[in-house]
Amino acid sequence: EPEVTQTPSHQVTQMGQEVILRCVPISNHLYFYWYRQILGQKVEFLVSFYNNEISEKSEIFDDQFSVERPDGSNFTLKIRSTKLEDSAMYFCASSLIKDQPQHFGDGTRLSIL
Amino acid sequence: AQSVTQPDIHITVSEGASLELRCNYSYGATPYLFWYVQSPGQGLQLLLKYFSGDTLVQGIKGFEAEFKRSQSSFNLRKPSVHWSDAAEYFCAVGASNDYKLSFGAGTTVTVRA
Repeated sequence: EPEVTQTPSHQVTQMGQEVILRCVPISNHLYFYWYRQILGQKVEFLVSFYNNEISEKSEIFDDQFSVERPDGSNFTLKIRSTKLEDSAMYFCASSLIKDQPQHFGDGTRLSIL
Repeated sequence: AQSVTQPDIHITVSEGASLELRCNYSYGATPYLFWYVQSPGQGLQLLLKYFSGDTLVQGIKGFEAEFKRSQSSFNLRKPSVHWSDAAEYFCAVGASNDYKLSFGAGTTVTVRA
Protein backbone atom coordinates (compact mmCIF):
# COMPACT_ATOMS: atom_id res chain seq x y z
CA GLU A 1 0.00 0.00 0.00
CA PRO A 2 1.36 3.46 -0.87
CA GLU A 3 2.70 5.42 2.07
CA VAL A 4 3.55 8.94 3.05
CA THR A 5 7.23 9.06 3.98
CA GLN A 6 8.89 11.65 6.18
CA THR A 7 12.54 12.42 6.76
CA PRO A 8 14.31 12.65 9.06
CA SER A 9 12.59 10.64 11.76
CA HIS A 10 14.30 12.74 14.42
CA GLN A 11 15.83 16.21 14.05
CA VAL A 12 17.77 17.97 16.77
CA THR A 13 18.41 21.67 16.20
CA GLN A 14 19.79 24.57 18.19
CA MET A 15 17.36 27.32 19.08
CA GLY A 16 17.39 30.08 16.50
CA GLN A 17 18.37 27.82 13.64
CA GLU A 18 16.30 27.03 10.60
CA VAL A 19 15.02 23.52 9.98
CA ILE A 20 13.43 21.86 6.97
CA LEU A 21 11.21 18.85 7.40
CA ARG A 22 10.66 16.74 4.34
CA CYS A 23 7.76 14.65 3.16
CA VAL A 24 7.01 12.53 0.12
CA PRO A 25 3.22 12.29 -0.21
CA ILE A 26 1.46 9.42 -1.92
CA SER A 27 2.23 9.88 -5.60
CA ASN A 28 -1.23 10.53 -7.07
CA HIS A 29 -2.47 12.65 -4.16
CA LEU A 30 -3.22 16.29 -4.78
CA TYR A 31 -3.74 17.72 -1.30
CA PHE A 32 -0.98 17.99 1.28
CA TYR A 33 -1.02 18.86 4.95
CA TRP A 34 1.19 19.45 7.95
CA TYR A 35 0.11 18.82 11.53
CA ARG A 36 2.04 18.90 14.76
CA GLN A 37 1.66 17.23 18.14
CA ILE A 38 3.37 18.77 21.11
CA LEU A 39 4.10 16.14 23.74
CA GLY A 40 0.98 15.45 25.78
CA GLN A 41 -1.26 17.61 23.60
CA LYS A 42 -3.65 17.12 20.70
CA VAL A 43 -2.65 16.76 17.09
CA GLU A 44 -3.03 20.28 15.64
CA PHE A 45 -3.53 21.34 12.05
CA LEU A 46 -0.90 23.69 10.65
CA VAL A 47 -1.49 24.10 6.93
CA SER A 48 -3.00 22.58 3.81
CA PHE A 49 -1.57 22.96 0.32
CA TYR A 50 -3.15 22.44 -3.08
CA ASN A 51 -2.25 23.44 -6.60
CA ASN A 52 1.00 24.99 -5.41
CA GLU A 53 -0.54 27.31 -2.91
CA ILE A 54 -1.73 27.34 0.67
CA SER A 55 -5.44 26.55 0.82
CA GLU A 56 -5.87 26.93 4.57
CA LYS A 57 -3.65 27.67 7.54
CA SER A 58 -4.12 27.79 11.25
CA GLU A 59 -3.21 30.66 13.54
CA ILE A 60 -0.18 28.65 14.57
CA PHE A 61 1.19 28.90 11.03
CA ASP A 62 2.67 32.37 11.23
CA ASP A 63 5.55 33.99 9.35
CA GLN A 64 7.99 31.63 11.04
CA PHE A 65 6.63 28.79 8.94
CA SER A 66 6.56 28.16 5.21
CA VAL A 67 5.75 25.26 2.93
CA GLU A 68 6.94 24.38 -0.50
CA ARG A 69 6.57 21.72 -3.11
CA PRO A 70 9.97 22.09 -4.77
CA ASP A 71 9.46 19.29 -7.27
CA GLY A 72 6.91 16.69 -8.26
CA SER A 73 7.39 14.50 -5.24
CA ASN A 74 8.55 16.42 -2.16
CA PHE A 75 6.59 18.63 0.20
CA THR A 76 8.57 20.55 2.80
CA LEU A 77 7.91 22.50 5.96
CA LYS A 78 10.47 25.16 6.85
CA ILE A 79 10.65 26.60 10.32
CA ARG A 80 12.81 29.70 10.71
CA SER A 81 14.38 30.95 13.94
CA THR A 82 13.29 27.91 15.88
CA LYS A 83 12.13 28.28 19.47
CA LEU A 84 12.00 25.81 22.32
CA GLU A 85 8.23 25.60 21.97
CA ASP A 86 8.58 24.36 18.39
CA SER A 87 9.67 21.01 19.81
CA ALA A 88 7.00 18.55 18.71
CA MET A 89 6.20 15.66 16.43
CA TYR A 90 5.40 16.98 12.96
CA PHE A 91 3.15 14.90 10.73
CA CYS A 92 2.76 15.20 7.01
CA ALA A 93 -0.43 13.94 5.36
CA SER A 94 -1.87 13.74 1.89
CA SER A 95 -5.23 13.02 0.31
CA LEU A 96 -6.29 12.19 -3.21
CA ILE A 97 -8.96 14.86 -3.25
CA LYS A 98 -10.18 17.16 -0.53
CA ASP A 99 -13.12 15.01 0.51
CA GLN A 100 -11.10 11.85 0.98
CA PRO A 101 -9.28 10.59 4.07
CA GLN A 102 -5.89 12.01 4.86
CA HIS A 103 -3.06 9.51 5.02
CA PHE A 104 -0.31 10.29 7.49
CA GLY A 105 3.40 9.66 7.61
CA ASP A 106 5.27 8.37 10.66
CA GLY A 107 6.25 11.88 11.68
CA THR A 108 9.44 13.79 12.39
CA ARG A 109 10.29 14.39 16.00
CA LEU A 110 11.79 17.86 16.23
CA SER A 111 13.81 18.67 19.33
CA ILE A 112 14.95 22.25 19.84
CA LEU A 113 17.83 22.69 22.30
CA ALA B 1 -15.69 25.77 15.32
CA GLN B 2 -15.18 22.05 15.23
CA SER B 3 -14.24 20.24 18.39
CA VAL B 4 -13.76 16.63 19.35
CA THR B 5 -13.94 15.14 22.84
CA GLN B 6 -12.62 11.77 23.83
CA PRO B 7 -13.73 11.41 27.45
CA ASP B 8 -11.49 8.46 28.30
CA ILE B 9 -7.79 9.20 28.56
CA HIS B 10 -6.79 5.61 29.28
CA ILE B 11 -8.62 2.30 29.05
CA THR B 12 -7.33 -1.09 30.15
CA VAL B 13 -8.99 -4.16 28.70
CA SER B 14 -8.29 -7.88 28.90
CA GLU B 15 -7.30 -9.72 25.78
CA GLY B 16 -10.39 -11.22 24.20
CA ALA B 17 -12.72 -8.73 25.85
CA SER B 18 -14.74 -6.15 23.98
CA LEU B 19 -13.63 -2.56 23.61
CA GLU B 20 -15.56 0.65 23.13
CA LEU B 21 -13.93 4.05 22.78
CA ARG B 22 -16.08 7.14 23.01
CA CYS B 23 -15.97 10.17 20.77
CA ASN B 24 -18.22 13.21 20.81
CA TYR B 25 -17.98 16.03 18.33
CA SER B 26 -19.30 19.51 17.95
CA TYR B 27 -19.87 20.84 14.48
CA GLY B 28 -22.59 22.86 12.81
CA ALA B 29 -22.88 20.87 9.60
CA THR B 30 -22.71 17.20 8.77
CA PRO B 31 -19.22 16.14 9.70
CA TYR B 32 -16.81 13.71 8.20
CA LEU B 33 -15.64 11.43 11.01
CA PHE B 34 -12.52 9.35 11.33
CA TRP B 35 -10.72 7.07 13.73
CA TYR B 36 -6.95 6.83 13.57
CA VAL B 37 -4.62 4.57 15.55
CA GLN B 38 -1.07 5.35 16.56
CA SER B 39 1.26 2.61 17.77
CA PRO B 40 4.42 3.66 19.61
CA GLY B 41 6.89 5.27 17.24
CA GLN B 42 4.48 5.05 14.35
CA GLY B 43 2.35 7.49 12.43
CA LEU B 44 -1.41 7.80 12.36
CA GLN B 45 -3.09 4.92 10.59
CA LEU B 46 -6.65 5.30 9.37
CA LEU B 47 -8.96 2.71 10.93
CA LEU B 48 -12.25 3.82 9.42
CA LYS B 49 -14.20 6.77 8.12
CA TYR B 50 -17.76 8.06 7.92
CA PHE B 51 -18.85 10.44 5.21
CA SER B 52 -22.52 9.62 4.67
CA GLY B 53 -24.94 6.73 4.29
CA ASP B 54 -24.94 3.72 6.57
CA THR B 55 -24.25 4.93 10.08
CA LEU B 56 -22.44 1.72 11.06
CA VAL B 57 -19.08 1.63 9.34
CA GLN B 58 -16.58 -1.17 9.23
CA GLY B 59 -12.86 -0.61 9.31
CA ILE B 60 -9.62 -2.47 9.33
CA LYS B 61 -8.42 -4.81 12.06
CA GLY B 62 -11.97 -5.80 13.01
CA PHE B 63 -13.02 -2.33 14.22
CA GLU B 64 -16.38 -0.71 13.62
CA ALA B 65 -17.91 2.62 14.56
CA GLU B 66 -21.43 3.97 14.72
CA PHE B 67 -22.43 7.52 13.88
CA LYS B 68 -25.26 8.78 16.06
CA ARG B 69 -26.32 12.24 14.97
CA SER B 70 -28.73 12.70 17.88
CA GLN B 71 -25.91 12.12 20.35
CA SER B 72 -23.16 13.78 18.28
CA SER B 73 -21.15 10.63 18.81
CA PHE B 74 -18.94 8.32 16.78
CA ASN B 75 -17.90 5.52 19.11
CA LEU B 76 -15.37 2.90 18.10
CA ARG B 77 -15.90 -0.75 18.98
CA LYS B 78 -14.16 -4.07 18.67
CA PRO B 79 -15.77 -7.31 19.87
CA SER B 80 -12.58 -9.05 20.91
CA VAL B 81 -9.29 -7.24 21.40
CA HIS B 82 -5.88 -8.64 20.67
CA TRP B 83 -2.64 -7.70 22.41
CA SER B 84 -1.60 -5.92 19.21
CA ASP B 85 -4.49 -3.47 19.65
CA ALA B 86 -2.59 -1.73 22.42
CA ALA B 87 -2.07 1.77 21.03
CA GLU B 88 -3.39 5.31 21.14
CA TYR B 89 -6.64 5.97 19.32
CA PHE B 90 -7.67 9.32 17.93
CA CYS B 91 -11.08 10.46 16.77
CA ALA B 92 -11.04 13.26 14.18
CA VAL B 93 -13.64 15.40 12.45
CA GLY B 94 -13.53 17.17 9.12
CA ALA B 95 -16.05 18.75 6.79
CA SER B 96 -16.69 19.30 3.12
CA ASN B 97 -16.06 23.04 3.42
CA ASP B 98 -12.88 22.63 5.39
CA TYR B 99 -9.42 21.30 4.73
CA LYS B 100 -8.28 20.55 8.23
CA LEU B 101 -9.00 17.68 10.58
CA SER B 102 -9.67 18.44 14.21
CA PHE B 103 -8.46 15.73 16.56
CA GLY B 104 -9.50 14.58 19.98
CA ALA B 105 -6.93 14.24 22.72
CA GLY B 106 -6.68 10.49 22.19
CA THR B 107 -7.40 7.39 24.26
CA THR B 108 -4.57 5.08 25.22
CA VAL B 109 -5.59 1.43 25.23
CA THR B 110 -3.67 -1.09 27.30
CA VAL B 111 -4.35 -4.78 26.75
CA ARG B 112 -3.64 -7.14 29.62
CA ALA B 113 -3.11 -10.85 29.17
